[in-house]
Amino acid sequence: DAKTTQPPSMDCAEGRAANLPCNHSTISGNEYVYWYRQIHSQGPQYIIHGLKNNETNEMASLIITEDRKSSTLILPHATLRDTAVYYCIVRTQGAQKLVFGQGTRLTINP
Amino acid sequence: EAGVVQSPRYKIIEKKQPVAFWCNPISGHNTLYWYRQNLGQGPELLIRYENEEAVDDSQLPKDRFSAERLKGVDSTLKIQPAELGDSAVYLCASSLASADTQYFGPGTRLTVL
Repeated sequence: DAKTTQPPSMDCAEGRAANLPCNHSTISGNEYVYWYRQIHSQGPQYIIHGLKNNETNEMASLIITEDRKSSTLILPHATLRDTAVYYCIVRTQGAQKLVFGQGTRLTINP
Repeated sequence: EAGVVQSPRYKIIEKKQPVAFWCNPISGHNTLYWYRQNLGQGPELLIRYENEEAVDDSQLPKDRFSAERLKGVDSTLKIQPAELGDSAVYLCASSLASADTQYFGPGTRLTVL
């Protein structure tokens, strides 16, 4: 699975959009981009995943660049409850395990 | 729909004691995973089950760790004897099949004194 690079920490004001970047320059054609988050003292929570097209669900939007070498997770209206560590994971189609990196610690400030 | 259930949520034991963790996956999920998460790190896979068969246990320290999923539903992870370095959060996850999205339980935080 391709390696991902994320900033170790970010801050965002409550009510604003939080944009979390992820670099995956060695991604190959059959690898998906997954995002999970982990709120303190909880297990990782699935957010969204995509292959090449942008994706949106009730939690977030995932924007993948045309060359697929990077992506951005967007939380459109961040709340204090969105404070968590966000993991960007590249996963080969059909791969059986998730390989977590260090993630980005996102802090939402009132 | 109920999520992945784990118990206990917290466990404190002395070194050399045995300990067991229990996981009940989401109903209908055939694949079950055990991960370990050390402080400040991302989770790392210990073992993966397809139904009752352990199909990937390459990262499980087999001298002291064991796991079972007897009827292909709930699972138990055991450590005997525990060492100080085993202090971590033990996470269980499940998915419909091995290539599908994984859903995690809340984890068991183990402290070995």
